[in-house]
Amino acid sequence: AQSVAQPEDQVNVAEGNPLTVKCTYSVSGNPYLFWYVQYPNRGLQFLLKYITGDNLVKGSYGFEAEFNKSQTSFHLKKPSALVSDSALYFCAVRVPSVGATNKLIFGTGTLLAVQP
Amino acid sequence: KAGVTQTPRYLIKTRGQQVTLSCSPISGHRSVSWYQQTPGQGLQFLFEYFSETQRNKGNFPGRFSGRQFSNSRSEMNVSTLELGDSALYLCASSPAGSRNEQFFGPGTRLTVL
Repeated sequence: AQSVAQPEDQVNVAEGNPLTVKCTYSVSGNPYLFWYVQYPNRGLQFLLKYITGDNLVKGSYGFEAEFNKSQTSFHLKKPSALVSDSALYFCAVRVPSVGATNKLIFGTGTLLAVQP
Repeated sequence: KAGVTQTPRYLIKTRGQQVTLSCSPISGHRSVSWYQQTPGQGLQFLFEYFSETQRNKGNFPGRFSGRQFSNSRSEMNVSTLELGDSALYLCASSPAGSRNEQFFGPGTRLTVL
């Protein structure tokens, strides 16, 4: 079965420090990988995606993620955290080989708390 | 372009009732997907519609149904509501092609009493 794991329920980081939110996946075939962010009482907002090509992808608001096929990981990173980055982050995967579908499989989410 | 809109934003229903939620995708987007978000189960895929056809369905009971109209607007219906149906229901739209990201609406918060 296809699955996505976010091993940390919460990540705490001080403002100005680098942050990492971890994601690993288990799928058959070549995955498309996505990161979304959710602020309280809001929908999900797209941050970045990996489809093919360079393993390091850059996205919105200074976020980037590194695709590692051998470790089946897609960790989200940012060099310098802001208090405004505090939110719930979701990793998601789509497996195009299973057919024409936009179905996303989400991880359980990681709450990022940035302290001033 | 205007984003994905969902109506209503909040709903309170009682057990046994039915409810219809509406989603208007971004102009030009033909794929609409629905997700249920709960604290216990997280984000779960309900179904996807593309050009008025259901293209994929998640593991939900038959009480959950949906449809898509010719203008790509979509509705989902939940009949015989149960307490466990209380959730945030999110709609997402995307252009054709699985390489594209989905754009999410703000959601409809359904509370079943």
